[in-house]
Amino acid sequence: KQEVTQIPAALSVPEGENLVLNCSFTDSAIYNLQWFRQDPGKGLTSLLLIQSSQREQTSGRLNASLDKSSGRSTLYIAASQPGDSATYLCAVYGDSSYKLIFGSGTRLLVRP
Amino acid sequence: DVKVTQSSRYLVKRTGEKVFLECVQDMDHENMFWYRQDPGLGLRLIYFSYDVKMKEKGDIPEGYSVSREKKERFSLILESASTNQTSMYLCASSLNRGPGGTEAFFGQGTRLTVV
Repeated sequence: KQEVTQIPAALSVPEGENLVLNCSFTDSAIYNLQWFRQDPGKGLTSLLLIQSSQREQTSGRLNASLDKSSGRSTLYIAASQPGDSATYLCAVYGDSSYKLIFGSGTRLLVRP
Repeated sequence: DVKVTQSSRYLVKRTGEKVFLECVQDMDHENMFWYRQDPGLGLRLIYFSYDVKMKEKGDIPEGYSVSREKKERFSLILESASTNQTSMYLCASSLNRGPGGTEAFFGQGTRLTVV
């Protein structure tokens, strides 16, 4: 059974710092991996999608990498800003399943 | 831009009521999902649908049913609402697997309180 883990559960950094959020999964047979952002009381906003054949994806200050063989993905945020404060979730789409399996998220606070 | 719209942001219902949560997507996606999100438990899949009139149980289907009569609309039904169904409900949609990938898009969420 696929399990997705995100470490750390919470992170507080000063503005301007570069940071890395981690996501690990137990079954490497994934179709893709997706990173989301969630603001308090709101829905999920898609940030980046990495197909299983890709190693990384970039969007603005965000860069996500994928290492299927080791079951790991990282989300790199460059030059963090207070507006980046949110919960970040990763989710994997199994090779033989319609389901997105979510990690429990990392709650990020960027201090001015 | 893909848009997934949930009919209500906030709902308050009484125990025993039949509750309908509606979700509409405008990108002709085949797949639609209903999740609930609770503190400490994360997102849990209730039901999903990969085609019109097709549905599959997720991890926690008990106490819920769904309806998908049209491709763009996926309804979640609480047959007899109970207080333990107080939660944030999230709808999502995605394309079937193919060259376009399966990026999932979520609605804004419905905060349901059952009293």
